[in-house]
Amino acid sequence: NAGVMQNPRHLVRRRGQEARLRCSPMKGHSHVYWYRQLPEEGLKFMVYLQKENIIDESGMPKERFSAEFPKEGPSILRIQQVVRGDSAAYFCASSPPLVITDTQYFGPGTRLTVL
Amino acid sequence: GNSVTQMEGPVTLSEEAFLTINCTYTATGYPSLFWYVQYPGEGLQLLLKATKADDKGSNKGFEATYRKETTSFHLEKGSVQVSDSAVYFCALSDRNTGFQKLVFGTGTRLLVSP
Repeated sequence: NAGVMQNPRHLVRRRGQEARLRCSPMKGHSHVYWYRQLPEEGLKFMVYLQKENIIDESGMPKERFSAEFPKEGPSILRIQQVVRGDSAAYFCASSPPLVITDTQYFGPGTRLTVL
Repeated sequence: GNSVTQMEGPVTLSEEAFLTINCTYTATGYPSLFWYVQYPGEGLQLLLKATKADDKGSNKGFEATYRKETTSFHLEKGSVQVSDSAVYFCALSDRNTGFQKLVFGTGTRLLVSP
């Protein structure tokens, strides 16, 4: 049973470009969470999505960041007009549906570098 | 708001030494507490968890006890191995938010030498 998949693992962008990060949850999971880890800091919650719905985006920056989890395909975290401060590791996690669980399963992360 | 504080690293030990990584938390509700481990180049893996006061989580020789009176969840292992070298994250989630948000500490790097 494949775990949470993220791609790309490493992404380099120049300032002003767009970054798209993809996350495929574990098979059978319909809840997805995105976290960001800035250098020398812990992981910070960004957004929680279920299929076709954003449930909680309280941790998302107000501008340039968006997330989606379509009915088909992976969840996408999109960062428009990237700046150097966006350089970080972005982790995706997933959990099963219809069950209140406190356990999330993490992917390997995407390390974004903005030049 | 909820927060987690864990000891700074790196923690450097020789093989078979005793390990303690301190973690304290602040929470308004009744949190579940976790330790996650991240091996080089990999994602976070759940190491152990505890969901209520005085619970002890354990896995792979690691243990942590949920201490409500001291708001702590310290990670311990009696005899570390080189393969335990990794970054360890303490985290909590709160049933008041449906366990939807994990709040993490900054991580502690453990280096074990032969």
